[in-house]
Amino acid sequence: DADVTQTPRNRITKTGKRIMLECSQTKGHDRMYWYRQDPGLGLRLIYYSFDVKDINKGEISDGYSVSRQAQAKFSLSLESAIPNQTALYFCATSDPTRTGGAQYFGPGTRLLVL
Amino acid sequence: GESVGLHLPTLSVQEGDNSIINCAYSNSASDYFIWYKQESGKGPQFIIDIRSNMDKRQGQRVTVLLNKTVKHLSLQIAATQPGDSAVYFCAEIESNFGNEKLTFGTGTRLTIIP
Repeated sequence: DADVTQTPRNRITKTGKRIMLECSQTKGHDRMYWYRQDPGLGLRLIYYSFDVKDINKGEISDGYSVSRQAQAKFSLSLESAIPNQTALYFCATSDPTRTGGAQYFGPGTRLLVL
Repeated sequence: GESVGLHLPTLSVQEGDNSIINCAYSNSASDYFIWYKQESGKGPQFIIDIRSNMDKRQGQRVTVLLNKTVKHLSLQIAATQPGDSAVYFCAEIESNFGNEKLTFGTGTRLTIIP
C-alpha cells in the first residue's frame, strides 16, 4: 500500500551490525506498529506507538529499539543484529476512531542476517 | 492462553467456485474481527471487518460470518479468481479503553486452480 512505505525493501547484513528499518505513512494515523513475520508463526508485535513520544513494547521487543520521530515516521533498529532476527518486517498504522482498530500494513522489509 | 487459529492451513479451489476459509478464536472479549489477504511479497491487505454485535457482513465478492456461540469466524469468497490466490488470516481485537489488543492467526493458503 502506497500509504505506508518501508525502506529498505530488502537488506542483507552481518551479525553484530547495527541497522535501521524505516517506515513512513501518509494516512494521518496516530498509531504505528512494527511486526515481524516468520513462517508458521504469523505476525508478532515488536513495538508500537500510539502517538509521538509514546513507545510501548510488544511481545518480542528484546534486541530491538524504535524511534517515533514524527506522526508519520516510525523507525525500527537492531542494535546488534543476530541471525535469528532474519525475518520479514512489517510496519502498520491504525486509527481506531476512524478504522475501528484495523491496521494497514506497509509492503515489508526482508532482512537477512548472516 | 488466548489464540486465534485456522482449521486448515491450505485450501485449493477451482476457479469460479466459492471458497470458505475458517478461523477459530478463543477470546470471548474480542469485539472486532478482521480478515486480511497477503499475496506473495506483499504486506497484509485489509479485506473486511465485522463487529461482535453483528453476525454477517458483506463486501464485494466477500462475506464474513461470525458465530459467537462457538467462537468461529469465516470468510466466504464468491466466484474465485486467480488473483484470489494468497494467504488469508484473521485477526481479533479486544478493545479496552483505547488499548486495542490485536491477535493474528497464522494463515490459510488459498490456491485457485485454473
